Amino acid sequence: GDSVTQTEGLVTLTEGLPVMLNCTYQSTYSPFLFWYVQHLNEAPKLLLKSFTDNKRPEHQGFHATLHKSSSSFHLQKSSAQLSDSALYYCAPTGANTGKLTFGHGTILRVHP
Amino acid sequence: DMKVTQMPRYLIKRMGENVLLECGQDMSHETMYWYRQDPGLGLQLIYISYDVDSNSEGDIPKGYRVSRKKREHFSLILDSAKTNQTSVYFCASSLYRGGGNNQAPLFGEGTRLSVL
Repeated sequence: GDSVTQTEGLVTLTEGLPVMLNCTYQSTYSPFLFWYVQHLNEAPKLLLKSFTDNKRPEHQGFHATLHKSSSSFHLQKSSAQLSDSALYYCAPTGANTGKLTFGHGTILRVHP
Repeated sequence: DMKVTQMPRYLIKRMGENVLLECGQDMSHETMYWYRQDPGLGLQLIYISYDVDSNSEGDIPKGYRVSRKKREHFSLILDSAKTNQTSVYFCASSLYRGGGNNQAPLFGEGTRLSVL
């Protein structure tokens, strides 16, 4: 089945520094991928989704590029903000099943 | 306004009691999901439903069952709840099944369940 590997555990950054959260997936086909963000005591919300062409999705300053050759969809932002502190999930979709497989998530903590 | 609604938001039950978690959406989405979220384990899929009475097990279905009699409602049932089912449960829905750029599931606000 499909699986996903994310940057482990907690990433701590100083405000203004760049963000990179890793995501690699294992799948027998080329899935679509999503990044979700979950703030404390809130629901997971869609942050970004992959495209089939070479477009690079962007939202709230975050961007991610799907690299099929390396099965990766890393999340990046040039300058972290305090409000970016949250739990981030990368999730590939299953082939024709709609089953979204989440990893353990990465906690991003941005401090002043 | 597109929304997935979960009821109740908080629930405390004793071990052995039955638990009913309810989820509704008003977007005529075909596919609905139940996930549980535990610290360090992320979101784990319990069940997925592709339409009325068309349900499929997820990764951790043991101890749970589901019911979908109307497209807009999807229930999660715990018969004789156990303490290790204490968790936050999220319902989600998406327009269709399968991968596609418009398929990202929309999540409800979650139900925090404590089984004592």
